[in-house]
Amino acid sequence: AQKVTQAQTEISVVEKEDVTLDCVYETRDTTYYLFWYKQPPSGELVFLIRRNSFDEQNEISGRYSWNFQKSTSSFNFTITASQVVDSAVYFCALRIDQTGANNLFFGTGTRLTVIP
Amino acid sequence: DTAVSQTPKYLVTQMGNDKSIKCEQNLGHDTMYWYKQDSKKFLKIMFSYNNKELIINETVPNRFSPKSPDKAHLNLHINSLELGDSAVYFCASSQARTETQYFGPGTRLLVL
Repeated sequence: AQKVTQAQTEISVVEKEDVTLDCVYETRDTTYYLFWYKQPPSGELVFLIRRNSFDEQNEISGRYSWNFQKSTSSFNFTITASQVVDSAVYFCALRIDQTGANNLFFGTGTRLTVIP
Repeated sequence: DTAVSQTPKYLVTQMGNDKSIKCEQNLGHDTMYWYKQDSKKFLKIMFSYNNKELIINETVPNRFSPKSPDKAHLNLHINSLELGDSAVYFCASSQARTETQYFGPGTRLLVL
């Protein structure tokens, strides 16, 4: 069975602080994909990043960076120098590469509040 | 240009009514999905369609039925609405079943 755990329900930081959102996943499949989505207060779901199980390279995009570690089944997301606009609920998700099963399994989300 | 659009954005209705939510994508994707987000923000897939074929049907009540008139549309019909159906419903699409899913803005359904 597939499972995604985001243990941090809510996080508050002061603007310009760095913050890391944790994501731990479970799957027996050797081929899988990991995602992060952002849901701002306006409600839409915004795609941030996708990683496949064979690519453990960390990625940086502006103030965002992602640390994928298969050894600990984690795919953590760090925001550097946080800004008020980063306030949102962030979801980590897992998809396995299996015939007939192409759905996303979402974590329960982490609500990030950046205080000005 | 909206990639994945849904109408209506808000839907308030009485218990027992039948309603539909429309979804359209202009990305040329061949797979579309419906997700339900409950009051605790938990997201769960309801259906997906690939080339007009239903390939996932999670354990949702048969009061819910997806209908795809063409590759760019996947509408959600709900019969005999119940209080527990109140949620935000998201449509999504992807190019092939293996690619990233892009979501619509969501439809907030409130059943009174």
